[in-house]
Amino acid sequence: KQEVTQIPAALSVPEGENLVLNCSFTDSAIYNLQWFRQDPGKGLTSLLLIQSSQREQTSGRLNASLDKSSGRSTLYIAASQPGDSATYLCATASGGSNYKLTFGKGTLLTVNP
Amino acid sequence: KAGVTQTPRYLIKTRGQQVTLSCSPISGHRSVSWYQQTPGQGLQFLFEYFSETQRNKGNFPGRFSGRQFSNSRSEMNVSTLELGDSALYLCASSLGDLRAQYFGPGTRLLVL
Repeated sequence: KQEVTQIPAALSVPEGENLVLNCSFTDSAIYNLQWFRQDPGKGLTSLLLIQSSQREQTSGRLNASLDKSSGRSTLYIAASQPGDSATYLCATASGGSNYKLTFGKGTLLTVNP
Repeated sequence: KAGVTQTPRYLIKTRGQQVTLSCSPISGHRSVSWYQQTPGQGLQFLFEYFSETQRNKGNFPGRFSGRQFSNSRSEMNVSTLELGDSALYLCASSLGDLRAQYFGPGTRLLVL
């Protein structure tokens, strides 16, 4: 059974700082890994999708990496802004279905002006 | 292109009642998945539909059921509501295999 862990559970940084969010998973037989952000009381916004054959994906100030063999992914946010404040969730597609996502509990990011 | 829409956005029910939630996927998306989000358990997979067929199911009791229509719209039904069913219910749609999933805003259900 896939288990996804995100560390730290909460992170507070000053505006402008570069930061890394971590995600680890127990079953390396994944189809892909997706990073999302969730604002309070809202749904999930897809940030980046990394296929199992890829090592990283980039979108603007975001860069996500994937190391399947070690069961780890990181989300790098450059030059953080207060608008980046949200909960960041990683999810793996595995278990015989590339539609069944297993989520971590998330990292609550606060970027202070 | 319009995103995933869910109705209603908020619901208050009492124990023992049943509820139906609706999800309209992004145009062209044929896969619809449902998730339950609670503070204690986080996000948990309920089930996934593709072309009106349930392909995957999570570890939830039979009180949770769903269906998908020919236009890919999906409904989720919870019968005999319990207090523990209070949660944010999210649906997601996807274009196809190995593609990203896109989530709707959710339906917040409160069971009293």
